[in-house]
Amino acid sequence: ETGVTQTPRHLVMGMTNKKSLKCEQHLGHNAMYWYKQSAKKPLELMFVYNFKEQTENNSVPSRFSPECPNSSHLFLHLHTLQPEDSALYLCASSQDPTSSYEQYFGPGTRLTVT
Amino acid sequence: GQNIDQPTEMTATEGAIVQINCTYQTSGFNGLFWYQQHAGEAPTFLSYNVLDGLEEKGRFSSFLSRSKGYSYLLLKELQMKDSASYLCAVRDSNYQLIWGAGTKLIIKP
Repeated sequence: ETGVTQTPRHLVMGMTNKKSLKCEQHLGHNAMYWYKQSAKKPLELMFVYNFKEQTENNSVPSRFSPECPNSSHLFLHLHTLQPEDSALYLCASSQDPTSSYEQYFGPGTRLTVT
Repeated sequence: GQNIDQPTEMTATEGAIVQINCTYQTSGFNGLFWYQQHAGEAPTFLSYNVLDGLEEKGRFSSFLSRSKGYSYLLLKELQMKDSASYLCAVRDSNYQLIWGAGTKLIIKP
């Protein structure tokens, strides 16, 4: 049990659908992250939230829209995705983005765009 | 640009020792992390190095040389459950984590 949960674990959606990914952390952390993990590629940082404020947006297309209503919850809203967006989407949390503390990851959502 | 290099795949024998190397070129350095990721699971933290030298934690050790931009993860007394991908990540001057693509370690009996 890592203390970070993600739902759904698997998602298949068409290019015209709208869906949302949910992440919840039970560790009392202040920072939360969205990553994209594609096969044989490095983890790609998408968004960072620190104390509910977005601090990083690494040139992510607007079809991905994050939402952080509080320090424990993070959402990733998806709309009009492309097949190349199929990947594992990982949520993580940490005490804060600048400390030496490690990030704790959720199990991920395996997304397939058809 | 920023770059983390690690071998794509390695094979080792149960009970043996294996060293997984990681070289990095980043804008600044604020620590290096190693994570383990079993297939279909979340990455889990293994070690953190910010100063040069060796950090030992049970069967796993991690080494850092900042002047060489180099780290390695040493796994001793390999067990079948050590079959996983091992991810190297460096925190740059902006405190962003830059990740390698991971090394898939295959343990054979």
